[in-house]
Amino acid sequence: EAGVTQSPTHLIKTRGQQATLRCSPISGHTSVYWYQQALGLGLQFLLWYDEGEERNRGNFPPRFSGRQFPNYSSELNVNALELEDSALYLCASSLGQGDHQPQHFGDGTRLSIL
Amino acid sequence: AQSVTQLGSHVSVSEGALVLLRCNYSSSVPPYLFWYVQYPNQGLQLLLKYTSAATLVKGINGFEAEFKKSETSFHLTKPSAHMSDAAEYFCAVSPFTGGGNKLTFGTGTQLKVEL
Repeated sequence: EAGVTQSPTHLIKTRGQQATLRCSPISGHTSVYWYQQALGLGLQFLLWYDEGEERNRGNFPPRFSGRQFPNYSSELNVNALELEDSALYLCASSLGQGDHQPQHFGDGTRLSIL
Repeated sequence: AQSVTQLGSHVSVSEGALVLLRCNYSSSVPPYLFWYVQYPNQGLQLLLKYTSAATLVKGINGFEAEFKKSETSFHLTKPSAHMSDAAEYFCAVSPFTGGGNKLTFGTGTQLKVEL
């Protein structure tokens, strides 16, 4: 069974640019989560999508947005990039809301802002 | 808001020694609790989860954790450390009701295993 896949592995941008990160969940999983792992800030919840809808959002500004496609893959978009956006962005997927299904993580996209 | 506290950002043990990584949660209602491991340049791998079915939870790679409501703790243990256990370990909490499956992570504990 293929795990959660994220692309690209690394992404280098400059301040003010826009970044798009992609995630393909495990086959059969309908929920996708995004987390930011920044140096000194730990792992923070960003967004949760289930069945194409945004279900929950962490304490991040609106320039962090995303969507989930009909095939359950997901995109995270970050507009007007700032230096502090440099981090590892992790995507996770699960079977859905029921019974607190465990989340399975991809290896992340490392976003570097110059 | 629910949270978890991991005591000790760095823990060092000798190979073959007991591993004990501490996690305390704050919640008026016992939440769902998880332990994840992160190896360098990789994502997180689920070690085990507590969902109220049993207080002693066995996970992968010989790890287990015991849920103690009276102490609001969910410490991770392994009887005998192996060099391959060197990694960063995260305790995480998910609300019992509401908030969906959003995970709130602790700050992590870096485990070092020495010969």
